[in-house]
This record gives sequence, structure tokens and C-alpha cells, in this order.
Amino acid sequence: QQQVKQSPQSLIVQKGGISIINCAYENTAFDYFPWYQQFPGKGPALLIAIRPDVSEKKEGRFTISFNKSAKQFSLHIMDSQPGDSATYFCAASMGYQFYFGTGTSLTVIP
Amino acid sequence: KAGVTQTPRYLIKTRGQQVTLSCSPISGHRSVSWYQQTPGQGLQFLFEYFSETQRNKGNFPGRFSGRQFSNSRSEMNVSTLELGDSALYLCASSLPGTGSYNEQFFGPGTRLTVL
Repeated sequence: QQQVKQSPQSLIVQKGGISIINCAYENTAFDYFPWYQQFPGKGPALLIAIRPDVSEKKEGRFTISFNKSAKQFSLHIMDSQPGDSATYFCAASMGYQFYFGTGTSLTVIP
Repeated sequence: KAGVTQTPRYLIKTRGQQVTLSCSPISGHRSVSWYQQTPGQGLQFLFEYFSETQRNKGNFPGRFSGRQFSNSRSEMNVSTLELGDSALYLCASSLPGTGSYNEQFFGPGTRLTVL
């Protein structure tokens, strides 16, 4: 059973556009929601993270929107750049166990 | 500070064999987690070790096992390999703590191919 559901599976965006990736979860015990970015041949790297007591967190061009009542959270990448082309994973955790989404392959076209 | 290192980076085995993968965490990190990454499935949690003790285990068969040494280095073993075990195996380390806010730092992974 997938604890965290992520969509879309793949995404193509023009340079300068907004990329939006969505995730949903069921377990209300989750208390930490990170997003990871993974380039080919590399391990995932933390991009940005949020706790459920905050509805939005912004770091540079990356923003997490969190809707606790809907049990959904999303990643917005503003002014998307070709260098943002990578696979993005959302995750949710409680304690020291992390549950990951299935990933979104983002391609930003110049 | 050196990152998480995993050896070997690539491995080819045949069905029925066993394999041992190694992970060296970032210096000072005492928690090590292992994940299996396959296309379409994302990252599936295998197990997590802290101070040589397995604290949590994912939903994988007993063929998958692991251990952690006193220097926090960790190994995972897969016995009786099956074709479906072909995947990227990722190790992640984090600072000690009881909460879930500890950032996980991932290694580059070991690409296992089972023929």
C-alpha cells in the first residue's frame, strides 16, 4: 500500500514556466514532509521541507503548499529552468521512518 | 565533510547468488537507512539502524537483512537473489535524534543487476 501518492508521473514545462507536483497522504501521524531532487546517477538530495503546522514554505524559486485538512501537499517551481530537469520525490515521515512517493520526472524545455 | 559513500557502485549477479552492499555514513551520523529504488515504485524503505540496533523494518522478505557496526558503517545482504531484486539500493544517513525532522543524506547508490 502506497502511503504517499504522487502525481504526475512525468511533467514537461517550458523554460520560465511553473512546475507543479502534487502529493497526498492518509496517515495523520506524519509530521514532516520533505521534497527531494534526484539527478541521474546521484542519490536524492533534500530540496525543501515543511511541517504540518505551516501552510506554506518558500525557498527561492521553490514553494511547498500544505493543506492539512485535505492531506495534500504540493511543490511549485517558479521560473523553471533547464537545470531543474530531474526526478522529484515527495515524502512523509513519522519518527525515523520515511515514506516516499513514486517520483515525478520533470523536463524543462529551453 | 565527506558525504555518504556506498560500495560497490555497480554489481552484476545471477539468480540464487547472494550479495553484500556497504554504506559509510557521514562522520558523526549514527542513523543509517536503506531503500530500494525501482522505476514506478519510487523508494521503498528496507530498514533503519541506530547504534547497531535495527529500529524499524520495511515490508521486505527475510532474504533482505542488514547490520550496523560500532563505527556506524552499515551493510545490507540479499540472499538467494531473484530477478526482481534488480534495483538501485540507496543508503541514507542522519544525525542522531528521536524526531523525524532529521534530514536524510543519501549516497549515490549501488546499482544491482540480477541476471
